[in-house]
Amino acid sequence: DIVMTQAPLSVSVTPGESASISCRSSKSLLHSNGITYVYWYLQKPGKSPQLLIYRMSNLASGVPDRFSGSGSETDFTLKISRVEAEDVGIYYCGQLLENPLTFGSGTKLEIK
Amino acid sequence: EVQLVESGGVLVQPGRSMKLSCAASGFTFSSFPMAWVRQAPTKGLEWVATISTSGGSTYYRDSVKGRFTISRDNAKSTLYLQMDSLRSEDTATYYCTTGYPGITGWFAYWGQGTLVTVSS
Repeated sequence: DIVMTQAPLSVSVTPGESASISCRSSKSLLHSNGITYVYWYLQKPGKSPQLLIYRMSNLASGVPDRFSGSGSETDFTLKISRVEAEDVGIYYCGQLLENPLTFGSGTKLEIK
Repeated sequence: EVQLVESGGVLVQPGRSMKLSCAASGFTFSSFPMAWVRQAPTKGLEWVATISTSGGSTYYRDSVKGRFTISRDNAKSTLYLQMDSLRSEDTATYYCTTGYPGITGWFAYWGQGTLVTVSS
């Protein structure tokens, strides 16, 4: 199984500042078609998860452009610019390259 | 607007069975593969099973293989998860999900979840 390792476990950010969350996969997520199958999700308190970033760097519909994704074959970063109070929650990376589909253990973002 | 509404989650004893349903609307259900993802209390996300558009192909995580069955009724726009021989470790909120495989992925849209509690 592909293991997704996230860091840090939690992050506390001042509104208006930036935050970065890292995710590392135990296997390359780069497919032979040139697409990297890493995804980012946010689960706000008491809510269902929502898709933020698909295929490493593509912003999902309705997601503010303060969110961005980048990375290589095994190391990925979610960056949140100008953090707002509504960004609090748990962020998960996930790989959709192969079964079993797997997620990281999550990074909790809090506001200072 | 895509809507996914799960139902069927209850308290059940270990070893018993339960069937979850997910009613879909706002999109052409028969054109989208579907999946179930679960989340144990205070834990992270765990993929459970995926089904193709026709229902002809299904995939499961090892821990539920042989106990859970994912199915769909395209005429009713409904996804199901039959869960047999339930264990305490199956206690979780179960989410119905869908999306564009290879693009936004199977987890682009989520229902509100239904809680399954396995306990004596």
